Amino acid sequence: ETGVTQTPRHLVMGMTNKKSLKCEQHLGHNAMYWYKQSAKKPLELMFVYNFKEQTENNSVPSRFSPECPNSSHLFLHLHTLQPEDSALYLCASSQAELSNTEAFFGQGTRLTVV
Amino acid sequence: TQLLEQSPQFLSIQEGENLTVYCNSSSVFSSLQWYRQEPGEGPVLLVTVVTGGEVKKLKRLTFQFGDARKDSSLHITAAQPGDTGLYLCVGAGNNRKLIWGLGTSLAVNP
Repeated sequence: ETGVTQTPRHLVMGMTNKKSLKCEQHLGHNAMYWYKQSAKKPLELMFVYNFKEQTENNSVPSRFSPECPNSSHLFLHLHTLQPEDSALYLCASSQAELSNTEAFFGQGTRLTVV
Repeated sequence: TQLLEQSPQFLSIQEGENLTVYCNSSSVFSSLQWYRQEPGEGPVLLVTVVTGGEVKKLKRLTFQFGDARKDSSLHITAAQPGDTGLYLCVGAGNNRKLIWGLGTSLAVNP
């Protein structure tokens, strides 16, 4: 049990669908992250939230829309995705937004866009 | 652009063997971390190294940070099937940006 829970674990969606990924942490952490993990590519940091405020958006297409209603919950809203968006989406949290801080990852959502 | 190269990309060994995997860059990092990701799970932190030449041990795992803080190695002694997974290194580069390697996929066969 890592303390970071992601739902759903698997998601298949059409290119015209709208879906949301959910992440929840009960570790009392202040920073939360969305990562994309694709085959043959390094982990890609998508968004960073610190104390519920977005502090980083790494040129992510607008078809990905994050939401952080409180410091324990993080959502990733998806709409009109492309097949190349198929990947494992990982949520992580850390005590502080520091580069050498331990990040705790969820199990990920395996997304397939058809 | 800062890059972290991990080698080998894939490694399949028998239980009881020793192995070393590497994480190399031409850039200097202020710190470097190793994570292990088991199939179907998210990465889990193994160690953080911050000082050039630093050596840390975690049971059968030995981590070393290069003197110039550009590279790192992970040595596993007497590997066990439970060591199977994807070993990822990540360095803190310029402007605190994290640079991830592609990982070494290790399979330890009983």
